[in-house]
Amino acid sequence: GESVGLHLPTLSVQEGDNSIINCAYSNSASDYFIWYKQESGKGPQFIIDIRSNMDKRQGQRVTVLLNKTVKHLSLQIAATQPGDSAVYFCAENIKGYSTLTFGKGTMLLVSP
Amino acid sequence: DVKVTQSSRYLVKRTGEKVFLECVQDMDHENMFWYRQDPGLGLRLIYFSYDVKMKEKGDIPEGYSVSREKKERFSLILESASTNQTSMYLCASSARGRGGSPLHFGNGTRLTVT
Repeated sequence: GESVGLHLPTLSVQEGDNSIINCAYSNSASDYFIWYKQESGKGPQFIIDIRSNMDKRQGQRVTVLLNKTVKHLSLQIAATQPGDSAVYFCAENIKGYSTLTFGKGTMLLVSP
Repeated sequence: DVKVTQSSRYLVKRTGEKVFLECVQDMDHENMFWYRQDPGLGLRLIYFSYDVKMKEKGDIPEGYSVSREKKERFSLILESASTNQTSMYLCASSARGRGGSPLHFGNGTRLTVT
């Protein structure tokens, strides 16, 4: 069947490099943001989240940065590994709304 | 760890058939969701539910219905399957009230309608 990765922008990196995946959001009322990773044949997997009262949040090898001035979200992956190859997408919750709005995603390809 | 289980990984159905997609979560989450995922279109919300016997339409509810008789189970029903409903269907659940918490997804059901 067709891969979810078709038609997506692609970021290609070498193993060991740091990766930065970007996401722009449009609604200034969004107050909660999440990054997901989706490997081929699997459902999206939660990576990290951040609320709008923060600018930065760190996890294990991952950092999310939020710039509310320009409505921009980024996911930084340190020392990228082949197992990090997947589609990554962001999601936002608009304050007062019931559900998340998902971005289209970026495919990350990591070469050994 | 939260586990969201979708009963089938692959389904092949004929046009006009009634199709049931089942989803069960084991973390006592109040909220459950059904999405479809298509190349180039991303994740689109079909229906969601905040409580037993409660349902709300998402962005693309036409041709679908849902059932939530028990808190842990959320079923998606295609009343009369059509070829344009060939897609990957993803179920998700989350805790607490409206918005502001992460969704936990199942591994999806790839449905082909011939």
